[in-house]
Amino acid sequence: NAGVTQTPKFRVLKTGQSMTLLCAQDMNHEYMYWYRQDPGMGLRLIHYSVGEGTTAKGEVPDGYNVSRLKKQNFLLGLESAAPSQTSVYFCATKGPSTDTQYFGPGTRLTVL
Amino acid sequence: RKEVEQDPGPFNVPEGATVAFNCTYSNSASQSFFWYRQDCRKEPKLLMSVYSSGNEDGRFTAQLNRASQYISLLIRDSKLSDSATYLCVVNPANNAGNMLTFGGGTRLMVKP
Repeated sequence: NAGVTQTPKFRVLKTGQSMTLLCAQDMNHEYMYWYRQDPGMGLRLIHYSVGEGTTAKGEVPDGYNVSRLKKQNFLLGLESAAPSQTSVYFCATKGPSTDTQYFGPGTRLTVL
Repeated sequence: RKEVEQDPGPFNVPEGATVAFNCTYSNSASQSFFWYRQDCRKEPKLLMSVYSSGNEDGRFTAQLNRASQYISLLIRDSKLSDSATYLCVVNPANNAGNMLTFGGGTRLMVKP
């Protein structure tokens, strides 16, 4: 039972490149979230999903897209990476009848 | 004004000391409250929920003051292993996606 996993763990991109971050969960949770964490800023919500086939914008959605084609996977895409997107990205899930979110181990992204 | 504010610290305390953190939130209609713990370069993990009547879990005590809109965390008999960043987390009202709002975190360093 892996819980929440994220791939890749680390990535370095050049400005303008694109990439996709994968979040996978085996907890059968409906809700999934993508956050970014920057020094002094705390965790900020990028996009979220309340179920398979649904997505919604969070606090800082610009420059990112997401897809939730399967319940267990939530993908975060960067179409044209910018240095301002250098950050640590965390995925989280939430089950029914609780507000607790369970986080993946994070992806460290550097955009040069 | 940030929705959830915390003193970033660091709080440097000796082993065995008692230390307290406060957190203020701006949305008076917020429904639920939590403390998460985040170790260096790791994902956040739920430490404890915060209930209106206050609650205790071993050496940790959490309190909520709705009138003044603040939450506190008290750690007694600090251990070296308590060194981490403590995140104050709030679930605002009328939140269809069950999104959480995170404070920037308070860093605790327990010294021998």
